[in-house]
Amino acid sequence: DAGVTQSPTHLIKTRGQHVTLRCSPISGHKSVSWYQQVLGQGPQFIFQYYEKEERGRGNFPDRFSARQFPNYSSELNVNALLLGDSALYLCASSRGQGSGANVLTFGAGSRLTVL
Amino acid sequence: DQQVKQNSPSLSVQEGRISILNCDYTNSMFDYFLWYKKYPAEGPTFLISISSIKDKNEDGRFTVFLNKSAKHLSLHIVPSQPGDSAVYFCAAQARTTSGTYKYIFGTGTRLKVLA
Repeated sequence: DAGVTQSPTHLIKTRGQHVTLRCSPISGHKSVSWYQQVLGQGPQFIFQYYEKEERGRGNFPDRFSARQFPNYSSELNVNALLLGDSALYLCASSRGQGSGANVLTFGAGSRLTVL
Repeated sequence: DQQVKQNSPSLSVQEGRISILNCDYTNSMFDYFLWYKKYPAEGPTFLISISSIKDKNEDGRFTVFLNKSAKHLSLHIVPSQPGDSAVYFCAAQARTTSGTYKYIFGTGTRLKVLA
């Protein structure tokens, strides 16, 4: 069975540009969450989507947005990129909304470098 | 404000010995905790979890202990194997303002098991 797949795996952008990252959840999983992992830190929560609706948002500026499609795949968009947006962006899926034993399964991530 | 802390950035252990990774948290409302393992160029992989109604959970070579009064949990790996060398993240499950769940991660501990 395919796990959580993310694309692209690596990308380089310049300050001020826009980026779109994509995620396909495990088949049967209806919830997708996005996390940002800056070098030397643990992953930080950005968004959670469940049944195509935003169900949670972390402490990130409005430059960050996301959506979930009818097939449960998801996109993360970041506008007006800053150097500090350089990070590994992780997508995770779960059957439900991630409570209790409904643990998150992570993809390998998209590594974004902003120059 | 770091609500989940892993104060040891790195740990080296001889093959066959016990590895003990520690994690502290500040919010007494956290009721579910998880450990993830991360290899380079891969996403975090779920290892083991524990609910706050328990003080111990075992899965093969991995045991997690929870001390709620001290707000402390630890992961024991015995016997340690070279393939266990990875970064280990402790995470607490927390409710978002919209009532769903997110994970709050620690900064990770890099475990190196020496052959």
